[in-house]
Amino acid sequence: AQSVSQHNHHVILSEAASLELGCNYSYGGTVNLFWYVQYPGQHLQLLLKYFSGDPLVKGIKGFEAEFIKSKFSFNLRKPSVQWSDTAEYFCAVRQPDKLIFGTGTRLQVFP
Amino acid sequence: EAQVTQNPRYLITVTGKKLTVTCSQNMNHEYMSWYRQDPGLGLRQIYYSMNVEVTDKGDVPEGYKVSRKEKRNFPLILESPSPNQTSLYFCASRRYSGTNTGELFFGEGSRLTVL
Repeated sequence: AQSVSQHNHHVILSEAASLELGCNYSYGGTVNLFWYVQYPGQHLQLLLKYFSGDPLVKGIKGFEAEFIKSKFSFNLRKPSVQWSDTAEYFCAVRQPDKLIFGTGTRLQVFP
Repeated sequence: EAQVTQNPRYLITVTGKKLTVTCSQNMNHEYMSWYRQDPGLGLRQIYYSMNVEVTDKGDVPEGYKVSRKEKRNFPLILESPSPNQTSLYFCASRRYSGTNTGELFFGEGSRLTVL
């Protein structure tokens, strides 16, 4: 069965710092990968997704992620974070009947 | 507006008192699913449904029931809630046909406390 690991449980940054959140998955075949964001008190929203093609995926709000097949990774990046990026971020891999989520990374951005 | 609507958003109940969390989507999605979110565990799937009258267990189905009598609704039933079911619950839906993108649309969440 596929699994997803997010090694950063809690990240604290100052505004304008660069961000990289790690995501590794366990399955070696064709994968569909997602990053979701959950702002405080809100539901999950899709940031970006990878299905095929260009391994560098651009999402909303200036986020991007790079699919590196050889490393089984799909790390999320943002060059310059803002206070409004404070949220919890979930990486997920798709199986036919569900998404398998990582345990999440809580990002706090201080002004 | 496309949305997934859950009710209630917040509920405090006592052990053993049956409750139902409703979920409704207006996007004509075939697939619907329930997840629970717990600190340090992320989101885990409880049940899912491919279409009307088709449901199946997810990873943590114990203590829950679901039904899918209509395409738009997918209620989650706790017949005899216990404190370990205290959690944040999310309903989600997506299309399930052809070029399925797999993107899930989530409801606002229902925070349940069982005393």
